[in-house]
Amino acid sequence: EVQLVQSGAEVRKPGESLTISCKGSGYRFNSYWINWVRQMPGKGLEWMGRIDPNDFDVKYSPSFQGHVTISVDRSIGTAYLQWNSLTSSDTAMYYCVAGDQAPWGQGTLVTVSS
Amino acid sequence: QAVLTQPSSLSASPGASATLTCTLRSDFNVGTYRMYWYQQKPGSPPQFLLKYNSDSDKQQGSGVPSRFSGSKDASANAGILIISGLQSEDEADYYCMTWHSGGWVFGGGTKLTVL
Repeated sequence: EVQLVQSGAEVRKPGESLTISCKGSGYRFNSYWINWVRQMPGKGLEWMGRIDPNDFDVKYSPSFQGHVTISVDRSIGTAYLQWNSLTSSDTAMYYCVAGDQAPWGQGTLVTVSS
Repeated sequence: QAVLTQPSSLSASPGASATLTCTLRSDFNVGTYRMYWYQQKPGSPPQFLLKYNSDSDKQQGSGVPSRFSGSKDASANAGILIISGLQSEDEADYYCMTWHSGGWVFGGGTKLTVL
């Protein structure tokens, strides 16, 4: 059974950095691209980008290009979403998902507040 | 204008059918886009329901009841999710998604109320 387990909730101040993780299990990790999706409070879903674990190729949504970095460690079957300088508008729930039909991770709530 | 547009809300009665629409921007042809549908209940991540391209190219999510079905309306340039025999547990937010320019695009979501 495909399962994605994400790291726990985080609270940061504006300007701080952050990396959250998403660990896959129950399937061959290289089989699916890992996608990241943002959901701001009370809002809809926004696709941020994806990474191909086979060749580390990354594609970002223009809305998120330059603001986040997506990476993967194949040796431990884990994908990452990284910010170098958070802003209050990054406060949201972040989901990872392997492919377009698999179960989603449980989500990581990121709160950015001074 | 957004690539995918969904009505923000829809109400229907238990036992009835609900038709959720996802309209593709007019410069794109729904006939060439595979539509995905997700259900999200409060406090939970979205769950894949089904994907639909044509009657010969469709897939139901694991464990998703057959009363959830997909189709397309070419005249409206829209993807369609039909939920028949509505139950109270179907009350949720529903999102359509398609692949566009190498990535995903979501509709804004429809809040379905069953009352």
